[in-house]
Amino acid sequence: GNSVTQMEGPVTLSEEAFLTINCTYTATGYPSLFWYVQYPGEGLQLLLKATKADDKGSNKGFEATYRKETTSFHLEKGSVQVSDSAVYFCALSDQTGANNLFFGTGTRLTVIP
Amino acid sequence: DVKVTQSSRYLVKRTGEKVFLECVQDMDHENMFWYRQDPGLGLRLIYFSYDVKMKEKGDIPEGYSVSREKKERFSLILESASTNQTSMYLCASSSQGKANYGYTFGSGTRLTVV
Repeated sequence: GNSVTQMEGPVTLSEEAFLTINCTYTATGYPSLFWYVQYPGEGLQLLLKATKADDKGSNKGFEATYRKETTSFHLEKGSVQVSDSAVYFCALSDQTGANNLFFGTGTRLTVIP
Repeated sequence: DVKVTQSSRYLVKRTGEKVFLECVQDMDHENMFWYRQDPGLGLRLIYFSYDVKMKEKGDIPEGYSVSREKKERFSLILESASTNQTSMYLCASSSQGKANYGYTFGSGTRLTVV
C-alpha cells in the first residue's frame, strides 16, 4: 500500500540554522512526491514537488530530492527565518486516475530569533 | 488566481445543531475532498467525491454526510453537531489524471461546537 512517514516534531531552530525534515515513503509504482506548508490559521499550500526519481523540487529556499533508492524525499533549507515557522506535510500521489494523495502526519517547525 | 473557497473561516455552533460547511472551487476539478485536522492526528479524510452526485467514505465518516449537486461545490454536513466535532475542517480539490498537480486546499474552517 501507499504511506508516508515523516519526522515527528516539534522542531525548534534558531534563525539562520540549517533545516532538515525527513520523509520516507512506501508506494506501488512511481509516485509523485510533494511538500505542503501550513502557516498558522491557514490551509495547506503546495511548497514544492518532484515527479520522478532524482528530480529536485525547490521553492522559497527549500529543496527536496526524490531518492528512489532510499524511498525518501527529505526537506532542506540552508538558513531558516522566523517566517518559516509552520507545519510541513510530506505527501505522495498514487498515480491512479483518482489522483489520491497520502499525507504524513506533519512536522511543526518553530524558528526563534 | 485559481482557488478553493470555504464559506466561513470561523464558526461557533451549539450541540445538536445541523451544520453546513461549504466549499467551492473554480478550477473545474473532478475530485473534491473534506478533511479534519486535529493536533497530533494530522489530516484525516472524512469524505471525497470524484464526480457530481457521487461520494465515497473516507477514514472517519461517522457523524458526517456530504452533498455534491454541482461540480464546483462540495458541502460537508454535520447532522447533529457534537463537541467532539470541534476541529479545523479543510476542503481540497484535484484534477483526475493529473497526479503531478497535487491538491489545492481552501483556507480552512475552524468549527467550535459548544
